[in-house]
Amino acid sequence: NAGVTQTPKFQVLKTGQSMTLQCAQDMNHNSMYWYRQDPGMGLRLIYYSASEGTTDKGEVPNGYNVSRLNKREFSLRLESAAPSQTSVYFCASSAGTVEGYTFGSGTRLTVV
Amino acid sequence: GEDVEQSLFLSVREGDSSVINCTYTDSSSTYLYWYKQEPGAGLQLLTYIFSNMDMKQDQRLTVLLNKKDKHLSLRIADTQTGDSAIYFCADLYGNNRLAFGKGNQVVVIP
Repeated sequence: NAGVTQTPKFQVLKTGQSMTLQCAQDMNHNSMYWYRQDPGMGLRLIYYSASEGTTDKGEVPNGYNVSRLNKREFSLRLESAAPSQTSVYFCASSAGTVEGYTFGSGTRLTVV
Repeated sequence: GEDVEQSLFLSVREGDSSVINCTYTDSSSTYLYWYKQEPGAGLQLLTYIFSNMDMKQDQRLTVLLNKKDKHLSLRIADTQTGDSAIYFCADLYGNNRLAFGKGNQVVVIP
């Protein structure tokens, strides 16, 4: 099915470990986004990429890095995971304003 | 930064109407959105409204926008059990970014 694909769906990390969350979209969208969702906090923007070759910080970028590998793929890396990064991570993509965003199904990350 | 506020919980009987409210701070908002999140899933776009509109109707959904008060609401008519979810309002701001509210959980009682 067309859309946004995130891998993995679940992950448990030990404090200090690193990992990369993968995201790919097949809708030829220019913009891609990473959000985290925490109970009672809604969604908060970590990083975004307005177009291929550009990335910018969002509201909560500390502890994360991103790579816009090509138009389809936008990865999120945790270099040294901390328990405060336990969250559900959503990738989204967008072609423009009216269409809004298309979201992936999320990655549930637990850092112990 | 952008700030979008929502109440957290609503319980409604099947067949009744649900009304979810949202306030936002950015007076230059051009588009405002409603998203639905079912358990264990990502967010799904329900509807949107352009800032020069007061109301938009889309089947069972009615969106009302009061720009003066920066207030947005979503009314779901004839609420069904499949409408049980978390609903997020979102405000479009610079560089095609969305600011989301904290979400409003709707529980439909059969």
